[in-house]
Amino acid sequence: SQQGEEDPQALSIQEGENATMNCSYKTSINNLQWYRQNSGRGLVHLILIRSNEREKHSGRLRVTLDTSKKSSSLLITASRAADTASYFCATDPSSGYSTLTFGKGTMLLVSP
Amino acid sequence: NAGVTQTPKFRVLKTGQSMTLLCAQDMNHEYMYWYRQDPGMGLRLIHYSVGEGTTAKGEVPDGYNVSRLKKQNFLLGLESAAPSQTSVYFCASSSLRTGRPQETQYFGPGTRLLVL
Repeated sequence: SQQGEEDPQALSIQEGENATMNCSYKTSINNLQWYRQNSGRGLVHLILIRSNEREKHSGRLRVTLDTSKKSSSLLITASRAADTASYFCATDPSSGYSTLTFGKGTMLLVSP
Repeated sequence: NAGVTQTPKFRVLKTGQSMTLLCAQDMNHEYMYWYRQDPGMGLRLIHYSVGEGTTAKGEVPDGYNVSRLKKQNFLLGLESAAPSQTSVYFCASSSLRTGRPQETQYFGPGTRLLVL
């Protein structure tokens, strides 16, 4: 069953604006990851944040993690049309099960 | 470096037919995975492998079989296809080098399967 749930399901913004998407999960985790999927393509790993980290940056991406609320957010600053894609969070559960659990994704549309 | 490749890219099957999807990776990764992606459902794990000769069931294994005879290849088989198996199938691989194999997964481009 899905552990991560992204919110919103869809987001439409203009180029230059910031995009924020959220992920909530249910059980304890080792880490949480964000992936991007362009239409018709495979997923691409964006960033990983460990359970003992609260914030992480990578270029225009900023990820936060609140383990007490079991939630994470992905912020894309100064969005570009090329950022149009679906974004998925994936959790690595600390129960020992050796696979990731993916959410249903947020579809981001960035208009020029 | 091709990364993860999948064959075929697209296939149409009739109910009851069988087929095999091939996944190949050239990164010497120990772990390999098969997912299916359906609209509004995200990715669901079908089967995975932690090394050559070993496989394990994921969240939705029914109707599928897998084999990992060589480290670089992971095959997904449908013995008797059903319309419910219409989906996009993704293969992924990951390495033990980062400590936990699930820290970064590398995905193939997907196989679109339509079962009539």
